[in-house]
Amino acid sequence: QVRLVQSGTEVKKPGASVEISCQASGYTFTSYFIHWVRQAPGQGLEWMGIINPSGGITTYAQKFQGRVTMTRDRSTSTVYMDLSSLRSEDTAVYYCAREYIDPRGVKYYYGLDLWGQGTTVTVSS
Amino acid sequence: SSELTQDPAESVALGQTVRITCQGDSLRNYYASWYQVRPGQAPLLVIYGKDNRPSGIPDRFSGSSSGNTASLTITGAQAEDEADYYCDSRDSSGNHLVFGGGTRLTVL
Repeated sequence: QVRLVQSGTEVKKPGASVEISCQASGYTFTSYFIHWVRQAPGQGLEWMGIINPSGGITTYAQKFQGRVTMTRDRSTSTVYMDLSSLRSEDTAVYYCAREYIDPRGVKYYYGLDLWGQGTTVTVSS
Repeated sequence: SSELTQDPAESVALGQTVRITCQGDSLRNYYASWYQVRPGQAPLLVIYGKDNRPSGIPDRFSGSSSGNTASLTITGAQAEDEADYYCDSRDSSGNHLVFGGGTRLTVL
């Protein structure tokens, strides 16, 4: 079954860090980028960054530069997203989602066609 | 500009047609994708590229693009289409994604 399965709910204090995992199954792990997107309560979708599972190269949204780190473990087809220096505004549902990597190298955007179930992170003192 | 702009809300009578739009400079170079988000659920891709539907998406959903504006059209809206709809695209640099603010669709 093709799916992305995320780790469970987290409750953190301000200033702490959180690590969320996203395990892929049912497809070739290195054929799709993994993006991280979050949605705060009552707010819209917000893009955080992307990792290429093949080489581990990352690109982060300016807003999260210095606070976010995305890594991958090819042996377990798992991507990790670490967010540090948490504040109350980081309370949100965090999603991983995949994007097809066109082997022709064409910069065509295929959209995010598979999403994890979401991980709720609550930051509260 | 790296922003995508959507109207906050739209409504449509059951069985009628509604168009949801998304504006932004990056749409001159990249197609938008569209997502349906229901409360408590992960986003669902409904349109990508010029006008492509993933497997399982009803053909009442269609996409189009002109200049800096992308549109999602639902022809013959159903009650289950009531949801939030978001567009996204690569930004002008091509290296980042950007989401629109979302449109809440009400089916009357």
